[in-house]
Order: sequence, then C-alpha cells, then structure tokens
Amino acid sequence: SSELTQDPAVSVALGQTVRITCQGDSLRNYYASWYQQKPGQAPVLVIYGKNNRPSGIPDRFSGSSSGNTASLTITGAQAEDEADYYCNSRDSSGDCRVFGTGTKVTVL
Amino acid sequence: EVQLVESGGGLIQPGGSLRLSCAASGFTVSSNYMTWVRQAPGKGLEWVSVIYSGGRTYYADSVKGRFTISRDNSKNTLYLQMNSLRAEDTAVYYCARENVDTAMVWYFDYWGQGTLVTVSS
Repeated sequence: SSELTQDPAVSVALGQTVRITCQGDSLRNYYASWYQQKPGQAPVLVIYGKNNRPSGIPDRFSGSSSGNTASLTITGAQAEDEADYYCNSRDSSGDCRVFGTGTKVTVL
Repeated sequence: EVQLVESGGGLIQPGGSLRLSCAASGFTVSSNYMTWVRQAPGKGLEWVSVIYSGGRTYYADSVKGRFTISRDNSKNTLYLQMNSLRAEDTAVYYCARENVDTAMVWYFDYWGQGTLVTVSS
C-alpha cells in the first residue's frame, strides 16, 4: 500500500497562516481529503476534492494540490484550530484507503 | 439527522474474537460505501476496511484474513468481525460513511464516536 507523509508538528501564531502538506504518489491520481481531530473526539472532515468545505467548516480552511502533494491551509488560525490533522487518499491499487501520518498543529 | 453509533468494544484476550456494530440512522447503509477506521492509543488514524454499496469489500494488509466487514440491511447496521486478535489491534474503532462524488473525489463525511477494543491477557 502507498504511504502519505505529513510533517509531525507545526506551530502558528494566533491569526497567522499555516500550511500543512501531505505527500504521496497516489495524490497524482486522487484528491486528498482532510480531517481535524481534537483530543478524545472523532475526526471531522474539513476539506475534500479540489477545495471543498463541508457545511459548518469556516472559510479559513482551504485545500490545494500539485503533483504528489496535497496541502491544507489555515488562513488566520484561531485557538480552536489547535488539533491533529490527517490527510486521506487511496493507495496505488485504488481499492484501499490510506491516512497520512498526521500533523499536530499548535496555535501560539 | 445522520448518526452512527458503534458498540461491541471491550477487553478481549489475544487470539479471541469480537464483533463490532455500527448502527446508522438518517441514511441507508446498503446504499453507501461504509468504512472502519481505527486509532491505537496515542497513534494516528489507520484505515481498516470498506464495503461498497454493491457488496465488494477491501481490507488493510494488517487485518486481511482476520477481519470481516459486513452489513445487515434490515437493521441498517454495519459490522466488523474481528478474529485472531492481537495486542496490536488495540485501538478505538470508528465507523464512517464514505461519500463518493467521482472516481477522484471521495471522503468520510460522517463518523461515529468510536468504540474501544483492548486486546490483552
């Protein structure tokens, strides 16, 4: 199965912009989806497809993709955005799904 | 309102079996792709298995041959039968609905709250 690699941790000052990346060969063929997970809670979908946000997700969250890299950007990070973020895509077979290694976002 | 409620977790000895359930409301399980995802304590998310609306199933290599995903259409419920359990299967298990827009765009739009499985002697 394919791997999706994310930076383990990033920090961002309150109100500033942070970009989280996800790298993997399968991203050349499939869009990533992104999930936010806070401690003790189930993951929540924040971005899917080219750059789509589910209802209720603030517009400070955006997504992009280029080559083998997908990115999640938080523009004007808020304290409540402090969480773990995971990307997801399919593996090289196209049948199995795979999550990224996860990025812990700290808002300073 | 869409809701997913997992149950069936607990403490089980290595080598034992357990069946997890995921009761759905607000949509029809058999008309959707449904997935199981797990998270070991302090670790990241790991995709486990998917069942397509047409019935096809796929598994992560780590559980292939030991776990079986299924559904009961009359109960609108998803299951995960877990056999030959190992310590490394200890995790919170989540069920999720997989929404498929196109062949390139799909996502897990609804998640349950998870059920904890602990494999230990």
